[in-house]
Amino acid sequence: AQSVSQHNHHVILSEAASLELGCNYSYGGTVNLFWYVQYPGQHLQLLLKYFSGDPLVKGIKGFEAEFIKSKFSFNLRKPSVQWSDTAEYFCAVNSGGNTGKLIFGQGTTLQVKP
Amino acid sequence: DAGVIQSPRHEVTEMGQEVTLRCKPISGHDYLFWYRQTMMRGLELLIYFNNNVPIDDSGMPEDRFSAKMPNASFSTLKIQPSEPRDSAVYFCASSFGNSYNSPLHFGNGTRLTVT
Repeated sequence: AQSVSQHNHHVILSEAASLELGCNYSYGGTVNLFWYVQYPGQHLQLLLKYFSGDPLVKGIKGFEAEFIKSKFSFNLRKPSVQWSDTAEYFCAVNSGGNTGKLIFGQGTTLQVKP
Repeated sequence: DAGVIQSPRHEVTEMGQEVTLRCKPISGHDYLFWYRQTMMRGLELLIYFNNNVPIDDSGMPEDRFSAKMPNASFSTLKIQPSEPRDSAVYFCASSFGNSYNSPLHFGNGTRLTVT
């Protein structure tokens, strides 16, 4: 069965620090990968997605993620975080088939101190 | 576009009571998903529909849980009888096409507390 693992459960950074959140998945076939963000009190929103092509994907608000197939990873990065980036971040995978079934990781809570 | 609308936002009920959560997907979306979010298990897919037909309910925890989608603009998730371990935030999401091609649009969730 597919699974998604996010290594960091809680990350605390100061503003302007660089961010990298780890995400690994277990599935040997073609995958589509996503990062969703949930700001406090709000619903989940799509941050970025990878379907094919350039493995370095750029999303909204300066976030990017790199798909490394050999490592089954899709880590999220941002060079300089802001207080407003405080949120919970979820990595998700779809097996690439026509299933419509998205599997989420446990989530990483990011707290940015002003 | 009002987005995915869920009701109620909060529900507090006693163990043994029936709970019904409601969802109105975005108009025109043909996929609807129910997720449950807990601290221990994160976001779990419970069930999803395509064109009002349940496609995969393997995530539904047990027979106490049931979901329906009588038409393209409405879905319910029912728990009967409810138990304290059902306490969680329940999210509904919809998409046009499956998530391979289009992102999920989530509602604001229903926070369920079973005492």
